[in-house]
Amino acid sequence: DIQMTQSPSSVSASLGDRVTINCRASQDISTWLAWYQQKPGKAPKLLIYAASTLQFGVPSRFSGSGSGTDFSLTISSLQPEDFATYYCQQAHSFPPAFGGGTKVEIK
Amino acid sequence: EVLLLESGGKLVPPGGSLRLSCAASGFTFSTHAMSWVRQAPGRGLEWVSTISSGGGSTYYADSVKGRLTVSRDNSKDTLYLQMNTLRPEDTAVYYCAKGSTWYLVDWGQGTLVTVSS
Repeated sequence: DIQMTQSPSSVSASLGDRVTINCRASQDISTWLAWYQQKPGKAPKLLIYAASTLQFGVPSRFSGSGSGTDFSLTISSLQPEDFATYYCQQAHSFPPAFGGGTKVEIK
Repeated sequence: EVLLLESGGKLVPPGGSLRLSCAASGFTFSTHAMSWVRQAPGRGLEWVSTISSGGGSTYYADSVKGRLTVSRDNSKDTLYLQMNTLRPEDTAVYYCAKGSTWYLVDWGQGTLVTVSS
């Protein structure tokens, strides 16, 4: 099974900051990677799929990059509504697996 | 607008059974694979199960294989998760999600299952 490892587990940042979250797969998944955002008490929301394709309606300050085993999610200028937990997920093969999550907190 | 509405979550004793439902609307249910994902309190996301659009193929996490069974009724636009021999570690919010390959595009609001005596 493919394992997904996210870093850091949490990050403190201020409004307007650039934030980058990393995700590493235990084997090559090409660009079969998704990023989800989850706010407290809410369901996850798909932000990015195929490593870098923004889901419809997602603000352009979000971007994804990477291929193979190393990926990143970048928020170019942190907004109040971006404080949440972010998860990566490999979609390359069964079973699909999530990373452990990265909580973006207010500094 | 895609809507997924889970129901059926409640408090059950260890060893008990439960059936969750997920009513879908706003899309052609019968043409999409559907999945269940759970989240234990204060923990991350865990994929549980996926069923193909026609119901002919099902997939399970090792942690639930043999105890949980996914099914669907395309005539009712409804997804199910039959949960047997429940354990305390099955306590979680269970989400249904509409899929595209293994991507989870749309999610319901979740239903809480608590396994405790």
